[in-house]
Formats: sequence, C-alpha cells, structure tokens
Amino acid sequence: SQQGEEDPQALSIQEGENATMNCSYKTSINNLQWYRQNSGRGLVHLILIRSNEREKHSGRLRVTLDTSKKSSSLLITASRAADTASYFCATPSYSGAGSYQLTFGKGTKLSVIP
Amino acid sequence: DGGITQSPKYLFRKEGQNVTLSCEQNLNHDAMYWYRQDPGQGLRLIYYSQIVNDFQKGDIAEGYSVSREKKESFPLTVTSAQKNPTAFYLCASSKRSPTTDWETQYFGPGTRLLVL
Repeated sequence: SQQGEEDPQALSIQEGENATMNCSYKTSINNLQWYRQNSGRGLVHLILIRSNEREKHSGRLRVTLDTSKKSSSLLITASRAADTASYFCATPSYSGAGSYQLTFGKGTKLSVIP
Repeated sequence: DGGITQSPKYLFRKEGQNVTLSCEQNLNHDAMYWYRQDPGQGLRLIYYSQIVNDFQKGDIAEGYSVSREKKESFPLTVTSAQKNPTAFYLCASSKRSPTTDWETQYFGPGTRLLVL
C-alpha cells in the first residue's frame, strides 16, 4: 500500500520561529490528512485537505497540497513550546471489500525550544 | 465526556501468554481500528471493524485477534503466536464505516505492551 513519507525526520527550532514539514506520497489521492502525536499519547487530527484545494488554513496551521508533485506541506507559524510533538501525514488507500484505510508516514518529530 | 478509552496504560506479557487490550468509545462511531506503533515508526493497521460482529484484517494481523460484540467495544488480543509484541498499541474510531476515503479517525491514549 502507498505510504506518505515525512521530511525531515526531526526538526528543532526556537520558540516563535516557523516550522515546515513535508510529506510525499506515491499514488493519486483524493485527500490527505495531518495528525499530531504528543509523546506517549494518541494521535489528534489536525486538518484534511482535498485534492481540489491547494491550500488550507486552521489557526496557526497552513497546509498545502501539490498533486502534480504528490506532496504536501504543513507549516506551523509562530511556534510555541506546546507544539513539540510528532506530526504525521495520512493518505487513504483502497483496502478492498468496499473500504478504505489510512496509511501513515513515519512522522516528523518537532522540538520547539523555549 | 466523550472519547475513546484504552486500558491498561501499561501491560506486561510473559512468554506464551495471551493478553487482551481494552478499547471503549462513547462517540457512537460505527468503525473502530487497532494500530501498532514501533519506535520512530508510523502506524501499522492490525484489524478494523466497520460494524458490530464484523471485522477485517489489516496489514499485520498475524498473531492478533479481535471481537466486536458491541458497538462501543473493540478488544484486541495479542496471542502467544505474536513473537515480537513489544510496541505501543493505538485504538481509533471513525464516525462512519470507511467506505469513503475522507473519514477522520479519533484515537485513544494508547497501551504500551512490554514482554517480560
């Protein structure tokens, strides 16, 4: 099954700076999701962007999707120490029997230094 | 207070022992999922259920079993056939069965399984 791959694997920035994470995927998709995971906890859905959208905003988050390059980026502006977490992109793939499953990348580990 | 609960937070398994991880949701969601996460890795799908009394294997179902007798509950049993069970296990749910490709998943806090 296809898989999104995040880049970089780890990112360390100072509080107040912007953080950019990238996700590349292999086959055509109708949408892409981003999730966040605090250390040792479950994932939390951040945003979904559809293939007919090039950019989407949610608070300090900005997500772009370039279907021609099969890539997406997540930008967190004015980062805070509380943004420290791992960020995953997830893409849908058809698993048969009329259902889809989400395939998650390995994530980008973001550290925001106060 | 709606959400997904998983218990226990930590679980220890001895050699040859089966253990069961609990997952309960009060979101009235139709679909539920079990994922395994290894250090520095993404999530891998073990099993999923679209409706009560129905479930399908994911990518890494060998050595695991599930049941879905109630809409709210989707327990995962790690059997002795799973030779490398040490991992972080995450349960999730989605409002509708994943017959569309835009379902958002809601996750529980996870159970960390360790082998003694």
